[in-house]
Amino acid sequence: EVQLVQSGAEVKKPGESLKISCRGSGYRFTNQWIGWVRQMPGKGLEWMGIIYLGDSDTRYSPSFQGQVTISVDKSINTAFLQWSSLKASDTAIYYCARREAGRLDVWGTGTTVTVSS
Amino acid sequence: QSVLTQPPSASGTPGQRVTISCSGGGSNIGSNTVNWYQQLPGTAPKLLIYSHNQRPSGVPDRFSGSKSGTSASLAISGLRAEDEADYYCEAWDDSLNGPVFGGGTKLTVL
Repeated sequence: EVQLVQSGAEVKKPGESLKISCRGSGYRFTNQWIGWVRQMPGKGLEWMGIIYLGDSDTRYSPSFQGQVTISVDKSINTAFLQWSSLKASDTAIYYCARREAGRLDVWGTGTTVTVSS
Repeated sequence: QSVLTQPPSASGTPGQRVTISCSGGGSNIGSNTVNWYQQLPGTAPKLLIYSHNQRPSGVPDRFSGSKSGTSASLAISGLRAEDEADYYCEAWDDSLNGPVFGGGTKLTVL
């Protein structure tokens, strides 16, 4: 079964750094696009950015450019989303999803990130 | 403010037919395919409809989609209690060079 397995919930303080992960299983994690989507508490889905696993070509939503870094390690079938300095407003659930043929067809279970002093 | 516009809520009684609209522009719905996602409470979104009106394997044919110009619609017939969820439309936006979502519609089954 094709799955995206995300890392567990995180509780951080403002100013701390964080890197969360999304591991593909059940299929070859290559030559595909993996995107990241934010869902703030009680709110809708927001596109953050996407990375092509073949050559690490990365594109960011203008709203998130410079705020986060998306990367991949193909050797371990894993994509990453990281922050260098978290803010309270980064509190949200973060989903990774595979973009295949113009649609997000496989979603991770989500990683809850809580940023609080 | 989402690029694609959806009504914040919709409702219906069991057995009824409900439609949810999604309005965009020429750079997104007008020139690209539309997808719909269902998010049940406390779970990750799930692909429900792709390429305007195609259903992934396992999605009941009670769910259907359509597109006309710069708008799209999701229809649910034979409404069931388990359809109570948030529904999101999504399309690629050529100006932003990325996908855009609607704000989501919360469907309540009365």
